[in-house]
Amino acid sequence: QKEVEQNSGPLSVPEGAIASLNCTYSDRGSQSFFWYRQYSGKSPELIMSIYSNGDKEDGRFTAQLNKASQYVSLLIRDSQPSDSATYLCAAATENTDKLIFGTGTRLQVFP
Amino acid sequence: EAGVVQSPRYKIIEKKQPVAFWCNPISGHNTLYWYLQNLGQGPELLIRYENEEAVDDSQLPKDRFSAERLKGVDSTLKIQPAELGDSAVYLCASSLDWRGSYNEQFFGPGTRLTVL
Repeated sequence: QKEVEQNSGPLSVPEGAIASLNCTYSDRGSQSFFWYRQYSGKSPELIMSIYSNGDKEDGRFTAQLNKASQYVSLLIRDSQPSDSATYLCAAATENTDKLIFGTGTRLQVFP
Repeated sequence: EAGVVQSPRYKIIEKKQPVAFWCNPISGHNTLYWYLQNLGQGPELLIRYENEEAVDDSQLPKDRFSAERLKGVDSTLKIQPAELGDSAVYLCASSLDWRGSYNEQFFGPGTRLTVL
C-alpha cells in the first residue's frame, strides 16, 4: 500500500486559473510535508514545506495541511505555462527525515 | 550559494560493469541522501548520512551497492556489478539537519544511468 497518494493526472488548467493539487498520506505519524516541482528530465525542486495545520502562502503558491483528514494540497494561483511540470508530494515522520514521495501529478497549463 | 553538485550527469555502461556516482552537498549541510528515481515514480531513499555516519541504509541493496561519505562532506555511491534493472536516475540531496524545520531537502541534478 502506497503511503503517499496522488492523482497522476494530467491536470489541465487554462492560463490564469487556479490549479489545485491534492495528496493524501496513510502514516498518522507524519509531521513534515513538502511539495516539489519536477520538470521533465530535471531533478525535483522544493517549492513549499508545511508542518502545521492550516495554510501557508508563498507568492502564487499556497500549501494546505489537514492532519485530521491526512490531506495536503497545493494551490497555484494565476497559473502560467511555465508551471507545467510534475508536482511531487512528500511526507516525513517526526523521528526520521525519510521522505516518502507520491508518484506525482502532472500539471498542464495551456495558453 | 552553490547547490548540490553531482557527477557524472549521464552514464552508459554494459551490465556487470561497475559504476560510481559522486555528490557534493550544499555547504554546511550535515545530512546527505541518495535516492533512486524510476520513470513515472517519486524518488526512493537508498541511504541517509548524518555527517559521515550512515544512519539509514535499509533500502540499499547491499549485495551490489555501496556508499561512503568520508570526512562527512562529499559522497560516492557505487554499483558493482550493474544489472539491467539498475537503469534509473540517481539523485543526491542534502539538508541542514534531519530534525524539525531543518529537514528541507534540496536535490542535485541527478545522474541518469543506462545499463545495456
